[in-house]
Amino acid sequence: SYELTQPPSVSVSPGQTARITCSGDALPKKFAYWYQQKSGQAPVLVISEDNKRPSGIPERFSGSSSGTMATLTIIGVQVEDEAVYYCYSIDNSDNHRVFGGGTKVTVL
Amino acid sequence: EVQVLESGGGLVQPGGSLRLSCAASGFTFSNYAMFWVRQAPGKGLEWVSVIHSGGDGKYYGDSVKGRFTISRDNSKNTVDLQMNSLRAEDTAVYYCARDTVASASGDYGMDVWGQGTTVTVSS
Repeated sequence: SYELTQPPSVSVSPGQTARITCSGDALPKKFAYWYQQKSGQAPVLVISEDNKRPSGIPERFSGSSSGTMATLTIIGVQVEDEAVYYCYSIDNSDNHRVFGGGTKVTVL
Repeated sequence: EVQVLESGGGLVQPGGSLRLSCAASGFTFSNYAMFWVRQAPGKGLEWVSVIHSGGDGKYYGDSVKGRFTISRDNSKNTVDLQMNSLRAEDTAVYYCARDTVASASGDYGMDVWGQGTTVTVSS
């Protein structure tokens, strides 16, 4: 079955840059999406279609994709950005959707 | 306001059945594919199922295929998840979510999520 691979954790100091990667074989042809989930809350879409920022999402969040890897970048991390971030995409058959395992971002 | 609201969760014995429902409002429901996503306690997000906007295409994750059935009623703006032969590992918060794009087939992501309904499978 199709898998998306993320690092389990990333630690960053306030004001620094956090980069979270997501690797998957279908990503050259399929969009990646990124979700932020804070403890006890529903996920929130922060990046759509590789690099589109939905309304209301701060400009410090950006996305990119190249080859089999998508990346979520948070420039100038703030304490409130501490959360688990999940990538999401679809396999080449268009039948199965999948989330990455999630990356816990800790703001030190 | 665009929103979706799940209901129907609860405690069920292993091997039992439960039907979840999701009520949508604030958008043209019949234009959007809809999803179910779950999250086991302390675990990550898991895609469960998607149904096309017209109700014709339905797809399932491997862990629920053959046991769960997704359906929708575009006249009532609802999407349901019938869960049969439940197992302890189905214990999770179940979220309903809307496609990001008004497309038929749900080939995009999800932008509107409910707060979830909790399913506990235990004897």
